[in-house]
Amino acid sequence: DAGITQSPRHKVTETGTPVTLRCHQTENHRYMYWYRQDPGHGLRLIHYSYGVKDTDKGEVSDGYSVSRSKTEDFLLTLESATSSQTSVYFCAISEDSVNYGYTFGSGTRLTVV
Amino acid sequence: GQSLEQPSEVTAVEGAIVQINCTYQTSGFYGLSWYQQHDGGAPTFLSYNALDGLEETGRFSSFLSRSDSYGYLLLQELQMKDSASYFCAVADNQGGKLIFGQGTELSVKP
Repeated sequence: DAGITQSPRHKVTETGTPVTLRCHQTENHRYMYWYRQDPGHGLRLIHYSYGVKDTDKGEVSDGYSVSRSKTEDFLLTLESATSSQTSVYFCAISEDSVNYGYTFGSGTRLTVV
Repeated sequence: GQSLEQPSEVTAVEGAIVQINCTYQTSGFYGLSWYQQHDGGAPTFLSYNALDGLEETGRFSSFLSRSDSYGYLLLQELQMKDSASYFCAVADNQGGKLIFGQGTELSVKP
């Protein structure tokens, strides 16, 4: 009964191929976020969404695109995967204000070979 | 832009008290949050401070001083299960998106 799920959980892909990661929520939260986590860098914001079809760039958006056609789904696409995009990707959701806290998904471990 | 600094590692013994500091530089500031992450799993929300002072939630407390751009997370009566990474994060005042520090790995020893 998790309110947020990410798929796939693990993926290995080849350099140069497109990859799409999916984040699905059942909480009807307005805000959705994609972060990547790498050793020594903490969590870095890639893109975020503040409503259907409303998205914006984060700190490390180069090489990534997102789409949100429904409240419940936020897709992250690596247009042409590179080895530097090997990482753990976390999706998060939140209500109107940050004081309620983000709820994170379990993450997608992506390896680009 | 925004940047946050926190110690990379802290070690403490079971039953003790530990404080994890966080200093930040931001162009806009809406609040300081803390998150816990076990073994690379999903980070979980611990606390949020928008105003100066101490917020207490059970064994965990969080403090903020806006004038000093400084905050800390205080963990009391440490337990082995508190071994985890702890992240501070700041929200800017545009859209509420969080920028995270690099995390502090807390090791609790018997």
